Amino acid sequence: AQKITQTQPGMFVQEKEAVTLDCTYDTSDPSYGLFWYKQPSSGEMIFLIYQGSYDQQNATEGRYSLNFQKARKSANLVISASQLGDSAMYFCAMREMNSGYSTLTFGKGTMLLVSP
Amino acid sequence: GAGVSQTPSNKVTEKGKYVELRCDPISGHTALYWYRQSLGQGPEFLIYFQGTGAADDSGLPNDRFFAVRPEGSVSTLKIQRTERGDSAVYLCASSSEGESTDTQYFGPGTRLTVL
Repeated sequence: AQKITQTQPGMFVQEKEAVTLDCTYDTSDPSYGLFWYKQPSSGEMIFLIYQGSYDQQNATEGRYSLNFQKARKSANLVISASQLGDSAMYFCAMREMNSGYSTLTFGKGTMLLVSP
Repeated sequence: GAGVSQTPSNKVTEKGKYVELRCDPISGHTALYWYRQSLGQGPEFLIYFQGTGAADDSGLPNDRFFAVRPEGSVSTLKIQRTERGDSAVYLCASSSEGESTDTQYFGPGTRLTVL
């Protein structure tokens, strides 16, 4: 089974609107971390936001917030007030803390296009 | 430097040749990771170093791939007898094990093309 599933290959949003990018995950490890990265056309992976499995509150970083629903195993990224510079690929990733590994497992990504 | 750097940014080689890809992590980061990203996919884990030693190399696809980090800083990913299927972007990341989130910070990648 896929550990990270991003069901939206592409999303379109108008400038200044909010957009939600979906991510569901699968793990039996009670301790894990969820990450979102942005990858513009230049190719570099830019860290956006982190949510720990034991965090009581949803993570927020500026215009980015993470809608964490633990029972549903979902960790959707919400971008408020979209800007043209937000156009990029967005990847959801997970690290399972108790597996003994520090590696990230990534989803296939969602391409976001922001139009004027 | 301020971030993770990788050289070269692009590498074109012929099938069967040997290549080396270099990664300079963020200063002071003890953990270093290599990932491979094929077109239209998310990055896939290759190998993880903690200090000088490879703590997890379970992602290396076969014995043509090898990586070293002799002094616990710079790392080199080595690919022998390259094949066309090795064409991808190779990403390096580093993290500070002291951070509770252990966030991985990525370099710009090396785009490898095997003709």
